Amino acid sequence: GAVVSQHPSRVICKSGTSVKIECRSLDFQATTMFWYRQFPKKSLMLMATSNEGSKATYEQGVEKDKFLINHASLTLSTLTVTSAHPEDSSFYICSARDRVGATNEQFFGPGTRLTVL
Amino acid sequence: RKEVEQDPGPFNVPEGATVAFNCTYSNSASQSFFWYRQDCRKEPKLLMSVYSSGNEDGRFTAQLNRASQYISLLIRDSKLSDSATYLCVVNAPSFQKLVFGTGTRLLVSP
Repeated sequence: GAVVSQHPSRVICKSGTSVKIECRSLDFQATTMFWYRQFPKKSLMLMATSNEGSKATYEQGVEKDKFLINHASLTLSTLTVTSAHPEDSSFYICSARDRVGATNEQFFGPGTRLTVL
Repeated sequence: RKEVEQDPGPFNVPEGATVAFNCTYSNSASQSFFWYRQDCRKEPKLLMSVYSSGNEDGRFTAQLNRASQYISLLIRDSKLSDSATYLCVVNAPSFQKLVFGTGTRLLVSP
């Protein structure tokens, strides 16, 4: 149980294009999903907290107009990197928390490796 | 001061060795603590939660010292497959967020 999928796993795009990443909880409902970014040899940095049916909460320094988050259902959240630039190249990972879970455990997706040329 | 601090390593140990990692956290109100394992270019996977009384899972033992605000992970009888980066993770109590340390890299050699 507690499986989270991400799609796509890898994307290469040209500078200026927009990229959408999907995060799905496959066997549980997730009221809250989280989006992280990880640069090489660095730690995971939380970008935003996505709550089903409401606006995402962004961390300081993360541009909400550049990283659009939609959490329209209890099993799906999407992150759109708009007008991507080479500095946006990173490993994007989502996680989800089981709405009925008693702990703060988050279940992670396999990640999406974005390369912007 | 970072919210969660870890020695980045790498720790190079031979198979069969015992190795210990420490982690310190700055927010005394933190309530949940975890060790995650991350393999190269993969997502983090939960290794174990850390409880106040300490807990053990096979070769892995985790301990929490609230007074000193540190968490430890002990790995006994290291295997080659234990080579990975170990992430210390603490919750941010008010916002239910997880804060990740930068990770400690472990390399187990034959």
